[in-house]
Amino acid sequence: KNEVEQSPQNLTAQEGEFITINCSYSVGISALHWLQQHPGGGIVSLFMLSSGKKKHGRLIATINIQEKHSSLHITASHPRDSAVYICAVPETSGSRLTFGEGTQLTVNP
Amino acid sequence: NAGVTQTPKFRVLKTGQSMTLLCAQDMNHEYMYWYRQDPGMGLRLIHYSVGEGTTAKGEVPDGYNVSRLKKQNFLLGLESAAPSQTSVYFCASSYLQTDSYEQYFGPGTRLTVT
Repeated sequence: KNEVEQSPQNLTAQEGEFITINCSYSVGISALHWLQQHPGGGIVSLFMLSSGKKKHGRLIATINIQEKHSSLHITASHPRDSAVYICAVPETSGSRLTFGEGTQLTVNP
Repeated sequence: NAGVTQTPKFRVLKTGQSMTLLCAQDMNHEYMYWYRQDPGMGLRLIHYSVGEGTTAKGEVPDGYNVSRLKKQNFLLGLESAAPSQTSVYFCASSYLQTDSYEQYFGPGTRLTVT
């Protein structure tokens, strides 16, 4: 079973700050998922990436397959970015995901 | 498209009662999943299905049963509810395997067992 660790567990930032959330995993994978869980509870997929970098608006995700590490960056953070950010990796079979515990991000105005 | 829907959104049960949670998706996805989410813990997989008529156990299957009689529906049953099953339950679906396709989540069902 792949072990997934996220850091930090909690993060408080001021509006406009650059945010970085980290994810490490123990077993080599073909792709990694980043998800966002809103304060209301809904979960949405942000990125799925297998190499390099992906960008969507102010969100950037990077992955280093050799080092088994991924980062999620938020540029010019805004209070509406406040949410729990979760990384997840597939099991070897590819049919299941293992999730990190999540990073609670709070962005203050 | 409605995406992934879950019924009900909230439920309170007494210990020993039974209930069924319904998950429906209209995206023609093959794979469907049931998770539970508890404070301080990541999402944990209860059961999953890789196609109509198939089910498999996940990380925490005890006390739950599932059925996938139709491709679009995935039912989660609690035969005799226990307080330890108080949780938020999420259903998800994906087109195929999750190393190539993203998962789409339902809005969740908040279950309290007293």
